[in-house]
Amino acid sequence: GENVEQHPSTLSVQEGDSAVIKCTYSDSASNYFPWYKQELGKRPQLIIDIRSNVGEKKDQRIAVTLNKTAKHFSLHITETQPEDSAVYFCAASLTGTASKLTFGTGTRLQVTL
Amino acid sequence: DADVTQTPRNRITKTGKRIMLECSQTKGHDRMYWYRQDPGLGLRLIYYSFDVKDINKGEISDGYSVSRQAQAKFSLSLESAIPNQTALYFCATSDTAEVGQPQHFGDGTRLSIL
Repeated sequence: GENVEQHPSTLSVQEGDSAVIKCTYSDSASNYFPWYKQELGKRPQLIIDIRSNVGEKKDQRIAVTLNKTAKHFSLHITETQPEDSAVYFCAASLTGTASKLTFGTGTRLQVTL
Repeated sequence: DADVTQTPRNRITKTGKRIMLECSQTKGHDRMYWYRQDPGLGLRLIYYSFDVKDINKGEISDGYSVSRQAQAKFSLSLESAIPNQTALYFCATSDTAEVGQPQHFGDGTRLSIL
């Protein structure tokens, strides 16, 4: 089955700096890669996703890049703000009849003033 | 998404008790999932269902069972609860017709087994 590794487990940045979280996956057939943000005591919420036919996707201060050859994808947050502090999870799946997400173990991002 | 509702939100119970966690959705999605979240381990899939009466094991199904009697409802049962099943449990839904089939989570059930 799919295995997703996520690094780092914790990340502290100063407000205004950039943050990068990296994930690798094992199944070359995976074709869908979402990122979820979970604030303390809340549900995971989808913030951005990318499919394997695209190398990069951007939404305001958030971007995701995908390298299919190396089987890794990354989340980039620019101009970080205190409200970006949360746990971020990457995931991978093969969409279609057998689609189910495999999650990374999460990165706790702390944005300090 | 308030469209995915989990009950109860919190539960404290004793070892050996039978527990049922309920999940209902008004999104009209065909697929439903149960995950447990433990610190440092992320979200791990317990069971999933792609349609009514369809049940599939996830990576950590031992000690759990599920029921999908209607499209909108997916219940998770612990037949005889044990302390290492103490965790935060999430239900999620997805729609086969939605691009990428992203999953939408409920607010979670915090379960403590003494």
